Amino acid sequence: NAGVMQNPRHLVRRRGQEARLRCSPMKGHSHVYWYRQLPEEGLKFMVYLQKENIIDESGMPKERFSAEFPKEGPSILRIQQVVRGDSAAYFCASSGPTGELFFGEGSRLTVL
Amino acid sequence: GESVGLHLPTLSVQEGDNSIINCAYSNSASDYFIWYKQESGKGPQFIIDIRSNMDKRQGQRVTVLLNKTVKHLSLQIAATQPGDSAVYFCAENGGFKTIFGAGTRLFVKA
Repeated sequence: NAGVMQNPRHLVRRRGQEARLRCSPMKGHSHVYWYRQLPEEGLKFMVYLQKENIIDESGMPKERFSAEFPKEGPSILRIQQVVRGDSAAYFCASSGPTGELFFGEGSRLTVL
Repeated sequence: GESVGLHLPTLSVQEGDNSIINCAYSNSASDYFIWYKQESGKGPQFIIDIRSNMDKRQGQRVTVLLNKTVKHLSLQIAATQPGDSAVYFCAENGGFKTIFGAGTRLFVKA
């Protein structure tokens, strides 16, 4: 029973490039959450999605960031025109009927 | 606004002793609380949870206490082991999203 799968685990981008982070939830889970974590800090909520729907994006920056969870395939967190301040670990979690969150191992973005 | 905070950023305990990690929350509407453990380079791992209709819940070597009167949550780890060294986060959920606190780093001395 595979857990939450995130890729890539590490991503290096230059300023101005695009970053795409992918998340496959646990089997049977239809809810996906994205969090951002800066070094030595907690996890900051970004967005909550269900299949083909964004439920809560109150933690998403207004510009350059977008997320989707299509009917088929993984959830994608997309960051356009990356800046150094986007460097962080991005964690995806999925939940099932109980509401308990299961996290992936994260994608670590470094912007040069 | 919603916030979950921790009293201490670091905690150092001797192997075999009990550890207590504290957490304060501010959202009275939260009805579900969770403790996560995060080891270096890894994602948060669920430890134990508690719903607002309870004040205590026990797991294997861990106990969570909830005091709704003062909006306080604690995690107790019995007979702390070196493998318990990690950052511990409390989190609250009052609706769709889970809000995390800043974390407490637990050091276990051999």
